[in-house]
Amino acid sequence: GAGVSQSPSNKVTEKGKDVELRCDPISGHTALYWYRQSLGQGLEFLIYFQGNSAPDKSGLPSDRFSAERTGGSVSTLTIQRTQQEDSAVYLCASSLGGRVFYNEQFFGPGTRLTVL
Amino acid sequence: AQSVSQHNHHVILSEAASLELGCNYSYGGTVNLFWYVQYPGQHLQLLLKYFSGDPLVKGIKGFEAEFIKSKFSFNLRKPSVQWSDTAEYFCAVNARQAGTALIFGKGTTLSVSS
Repeated sequence: GAGVSQSPSNKVTEKGKDVELRCDPISGHTALYWYRQSLGQGLEFLIYFQGNSAPDKSGLPSDRFSAERTGGSVSTLTIQRTQQEDSAVYLCASSLGGRVFYNEQFFGPGTRLTVL
Repeated sequence: AQSVSQHNHHVILSEAASLELGCNYSYGGTVNLFWYVQYPGQHLQLLLKYFSGDPLVKGIKGFEAEFIKSKFSFNLRKPSVQWSDTAEYFCAVNARQAGTALIFGKGTTLSVSS
């Protein structure tokens, strides 16, 4: 079946512009995660959605970062007033709901963001 | 600070050599443990996972890992590497006390020469 998909695959933007990154989770997966992969920092958790519960935003690095998930499916990560340090690969993952602690996360291909 | 540590940043091996990549974590209590692999130009894929039971887990492509609770370790092993194993390897922990997100190590780049 289809895996996690993300778009765009690459995004180049100018410093100060806003960007939106999209994630389509695996059908039936109610848990959705955003991570960031950058040089020197490895993979860092950003935000987590589970069903209709309030998202866990504890990993967002600043208030320029926000995310939403519409209808419990597609998610959009928005970065406002981008900075060069935002350059990274943004990964989305999804997993089955229920006993979420025990569910494997499946990753998408990522969006490579370059801020000039 | 609680974390996941991968001891080797870059490992270089010849084909047929044995591999062991170290991973230690500092979370107490219940943990789930994972090794992910990222081949050049591809996305993260799960190699193997430990949730409970037999601490020696076998994954895809001949990889295995051993959970040693007393050492807070989850080392990855393969008896004989192939050129196609060239990739970046990430250890990850899902700790109940840290919520449901995966906490990743910084990764180990494995280069295998033929």
